[in-house]
Amino acid sequence: GAVVSQHPSRVICKSGTSVKIECRSLDFQATTMFWYRQFPKQSLMLMATSNEGSKATYEQGVEKDKFLINHASLTLSTLTVTSAHPEDSSFYICSASGGPWSNEQFFGPGTRLTVL
Amino acid sequence: DQQVKQNSPSLSVQEGRISILNCDYTNSMFDYFLWYKKYPAEGPTFLISISSIKDKNEDGRFTVFLNKSAKHLSLHIVPSQPGDSAVYFCAASALDSGAGSYQLTFGKGTKLSVIP
Repeated sequence: GAVVSQHPSRVICKSGTSVKIECRSLDFQATTMFWYRQFPKQSLMLMATSNEGSKATYEQGVEKDKFLINHASLTLSTLTVTSAHPEDSSFYICSASGGPWSNEQFFGPGTRLTVL
Repeated sequence: DQQVKQNSPSLSVQEGRISILNCDYTNSMFDYFLWYKKYPAEGPTFLISISSIKDKNEDGRFTVFLNKSAKHLSLHIVPSQPGDSAVYFCAASALDSGAGSYQLTFGKGTKLSVIP
């Protein structure tokens, strides 16, 4: 199956700093990428959907100014958590889809963010 | 309002027996259903899917059944193996024309433990 990588796998930062998480599709062109957040013992919650070259579509309740998403190429999307606070600590997972009308999503390994 | 429900947070099964994981949904717009397996601190990995036009899909030890009238699907694993121990997420897909993509809605997951 298709491979999606995320970097870093875990990051610890101080409150008030910004953190960038990269999501790459390694062997296919991902026209659509998704960013999820998972709290302990909770489901994966979709944060935003991004199509290459256009602005991300954010889910209700997700602050677009806090969670900046850039999908500049067909193989790379980035999520920047700006001015991170302890409540932003979570497990962030990206997924990639091979086409805008594709049902299949391939998930990255996730990034554990801890904000002190 | 939870559109995809996995009412059993955990399930224990003896090795060699059948594991049955259940999932219910409420949104009749869902037309594609997927099961993912997830280990702690990792991204989900795709297991098996089923289109709404089918009622059964089989892949090796894994079979997914869909009952559209009951809005219910189930994943059968037989025979169960200790390596199957993980959290299993049910996901349902519907087209989001605004975002231009199929979006997944996840259940909260069921933790399967296969006892040797």
